[in-house]
Amino acid sequence: DTGVSQNPRHKITKRGQNVTFRCDPISEHNRLYWYRQTLGQGPEFLTYFQNEAQLEKSRLLSDRFSAERPKGSFSTLEIQRTEQGDSAMYLCASSFDILRGYTFGSGTRLTVV
Amino acid sequence: AQSVSQHNHHVILSEAASLELGCNYSYGGTVNLFWYVQYPGQHLQLLLKYFSGDPLVKGIKGFEAEFIKSKFSFNLRKPSVQWSDTAEYFCAVISTMDSNYQLIWGAGTKLIIKP
Repeated sequence: DTGVSQNPRHKITKRGQNVTFRCDPISEHNRLYWYRQTLGQGPEFLTYFQNEAQLEKSRLLSDRFSAERPKGSFSTLEIQRTEQGDSAMYLCASSFDILRGYTFGSGTRLTVV
Repeated sequence: AQSVSQHNHHVILSEAASLELGCNYSYGGTVNLFWYVQYPGQHLQLLLKYFSGDPLVKGIKGFEAEFIKSKFSFNLRKPSVQWSDTAEYFCAVISTMDSNYQLIWGAGTKLIIKP
């Protein structure tokens, strides 16, 4: 297993367009998290799945954001009608046993122009 | 509100200097504590963690951290830094009262080691 995989690595989009990111967690990890990180800040929690169930969503996640994990394996994060303020690094992390911590992917860097 | 504070946003040191990065949290209950490192252009990696037991924990690459419950602190230390330690360091906390095990992060400290 090569860890948590995120695609694409970079995405440049025009304001108003929709974008979708994918995260493939470590296969035996049942917990999956999405975070957003902007320059000079620590990651901000967006949403959390346990298996296929989305158990928590941050207030940061407006109705333009939606996340799915349909079969409890990979997850997608979609942003509709992107705004310049959505420009950030979007991080995915997975975990099976919190005592081992989270494993992070390399992130998807979104630039909205 | 629950929060994690890292006091230094930027630290510049020379090689072989000793390092201490501060981290304080505001939770009142039992916490699990982490330090993550992000090398330039790379993803976040776990450096070390504390759950229980010996409050002095040792991590990878010669780093250690001490949990001081009375001070709500979990400072990261390294006796002698190397140029390759240049990275951003994040302190993070999980409250054991949070069943979702959500990590709450500090803003990070950018460490630059001068060769």
